[in-house]
Amino acid sequence: KAGVTQTPRYLIKTRGQQVTLSCSPISGHRSVSWYQQTPGQGLQFLFEYFSETQRNKGNFPGRFSGRQFSNSRSEMNVSTLELGDSALYLCASSSIGGSGTDTQYFGPGTRLTVL
Amino acid sequence: EDQVTQSPEALRLQEGESSSLNCSYTVSGLRGLFWYRQDPGKGPEFLFTLYSAGEEKEKERLKATLTKKESFLHITAPKPEDSATYLCAVLEGGGTSYGKLTFGQGTILTVHP
Repeated sequence: KAGVTQTPRYLIKTRGQQVTLSCSPISGHRSVSWYQQTPGQGLQFLFEYFSETQRNKGNFPGRFSGRQFSNSRSEMNVSTLELGDSALYLCASSSIGGSGTDTQYFGPGTRLTVL
Repeated sequence: EDQVTQSPEALRLQEGESSSLNCSYTVSGLRGLFWYRQDPGKGPEFLFTLYSAGEEKEKERLKATLTKKESFLHITAPKPEDSATYLCAVLEGGGTSYGKLTFGQGTILTVHP
């Protein structure tokens, strides 16, 4: 099976712009979670989607949003970028039900740099 | 609120020198504890899932164990290619923690030849 894929792998934006990141989960996985990773804060949960519905959200401002499509692919959007949004954005997918439930498999990440 | 603390922050070993990494956690109802390995600039790579106290899992030179308050990742006779950051994460049970892993800060392992 192909793993989790994320595009683009690298992005450079300037303050005030917006950005959209894409994630394709492992085939058959319907849950997609997003995380932000920075040297100071480590890995922090952004939100989780299942069957096109956001079921959980972390403590991030409303500038961070996401969505999931009927094929389980997910996108996250960050509007009005700030310097502090520079980070590695990671997507993870997991299956629901059966063996291995809840285990999240991560993609390679998108490195976002805000100038 | 869930808390995960990993120790030590950094660990330097000589090749073949066995050691253990610790992950202590506070969670109201553990659904699962996960170990990942992360190389610089890459996404975390899944290693183990542990569900209940007393459970143990092994993979090559790695063995993960779980108690009610902590987990250990034992590394036997490590090799330089085992050098990476090892991350521990917990998933809380209940109906409000969908998909939310709470991570520790990680242990940076360096194995010298």
